[in-house]
Amino acid sequence: EAQVTQNPRYLITVTGKKLTVTCSQNMNHEYMSWYRQDPGLGLRQIYYSMNVEVTDKGDVPEGYKVSRKEKRNFPLILESPSPNQTSLYFCASSSVSGKKLFFGSGTQLSVL
Amino acid sequence: GQQLNQSPQSMFIQEGEDVSMNCTSSSIFNTWLWYKQEPGEGPVLLIALYKAGELTSNGRLTAQFGITRKDSFLNISASIPSDVGIYFCAGQSLSNDYKLSFGAGTTVTVRA
Repeated sequence: EAQVTQNPRYLITVTGKKLTVTCSQNMNHEYMSWYRQDPGLGLRQIYYSMNVEVTDKGDVPEGYKVSRKEKRNFPLILESPSPNQTSLYFCASSSVSGKKLFFGSGTQLSVL
Repeated sequence: GQQLNQSPQSMFIQEGEDVSMNCTSSSIFNTWLWYKQEPGEGPVLLIALYKAGELTSNGRLTAQFGITRKDSFLNISASIPSDVGIYFCAGQSLSNDYKLSFGAGTTVTVRA
């Protein structure tokens, strides 16, 4: 089954404790992206990657890092999480320039 | 990122009603997409539009790419209870083919 898998689904952490949210897709997609969803703001892009070792900033990249060492994986790293990074995060992938995105089920992150 | 204004912010539907929502942009887009998000899940693509004036249907859903290329509309005919969810418009501008901008979403709820 074609899917984008994110882990974990729920995460509660404390300020400053480094964390990684994993994302994996099994569709051989070149394009992958991370979004955060906040009430009233919709989905805002954090980072995206057009292929292995090619990443670029989205609209809200501050406080986040990504890496794309393999085509299927695109982890999101928060080196020093802060409470304003409490949000619902989605990973997505696409085979065509980020248009027809397939989304994961989301990761609800709470930073205390 | 591009500013997308989606309206209405929320709406209540009664079974059998036709409902409409729209999205406007401050700049010209070359692609408009409509997604639906159900509770606990990531957004799922409903309809993709690629040409000004294009009218595309997916079952009871019909979307249009505005002639000015700065707006798009989604209509749901004969609403049923499973139409509840959050509907997002998304678009790609001519200036950046790899960045998808999302509207804030329209929350559709069944009227009691």
